[in-house]
Amino acid sequence: QSALTQPASVSGSPGQSITISCTGTTSDIGGYNFVSWYQQHPGKAPKLIIYDVTDRPSGVSSRFSGSKSGHTASLTISGLQAEDEADYYCTSYTNGGTLKFGGGTKLTVL
Amino acid sequence: QVQLVESGGGVVQPGGSLRLSCAASGFAFSAYGMHWVRQAPGKGLEWVAFIRYDGGNKYYADSVKGRFTISRDNSKNTLSLQMNSLRPDDTAIYYCAKVGYSSSSYTFDHWGQGTLVTVSS
Repeated sequence: QSALTQPASVSGSPGQSITISCTGTTSDIGGYNFVSWYQQHPGKAPKLIIYDVTDRPSGVSSRFSGSKSGHTASLTISGLQAEDEADYYCTSYTNGGTLKFGGGTKLTVL
Repeated sequence: QVQLVESGGGVVQPGGSLRLSCAASGFAFSAYGMHWVRQAPGKGLEWVAFIRYDGGNKYYADSVKGRFTISRDNSKNTLSLQMNSLRPDDTAIYYCAKVGYSSSSYTFDHWGQGTLVTVSS
């Protein structure tokens, strides 16, 4: 069960937009619309920010959006804020009833 | 409000066993699937196991299959993870997580704060 592929790090300045990619296969991202994204600040538990590719839980800022094309999902954060600096993880349901995480992306707000 | 509190972590020798628990409150525990997810120190998140709301279906990551057993007691609102034949690469913070939002049962809307398991001689 290899992990989904994410860039190790991305950065952006306040107010800018950034996109984090998450690449899988036809057995996971490409086969199901069950991609989620989590934000994790140091020393804290992860927080759900996107589920089912594009949906936002209540209370999550509309600056966070998700999309998918083929077997690659993406998370876009617009209007970057200092508080967005964190680690971001994608997940996807896979055939066989298991779940894969991406390796994680460290977002730095310059 | 939803609360998930893990316990049972500690230091164990390679080959040893440990049982983790997750006490749930603030929601109808028996109506939701539950997961265990772990995070090695300084590393990324790794899914460990899932159990259906009624305990009927259980799924495991290949890395723990045959060594770990997930279970639940809906009368006590408790989720458990029995870990046997522990290895140094099982060292991690173990989180319990509640299913929510998605119909897939593989989206987590609440997480506990985690319990640290260290496998070392």
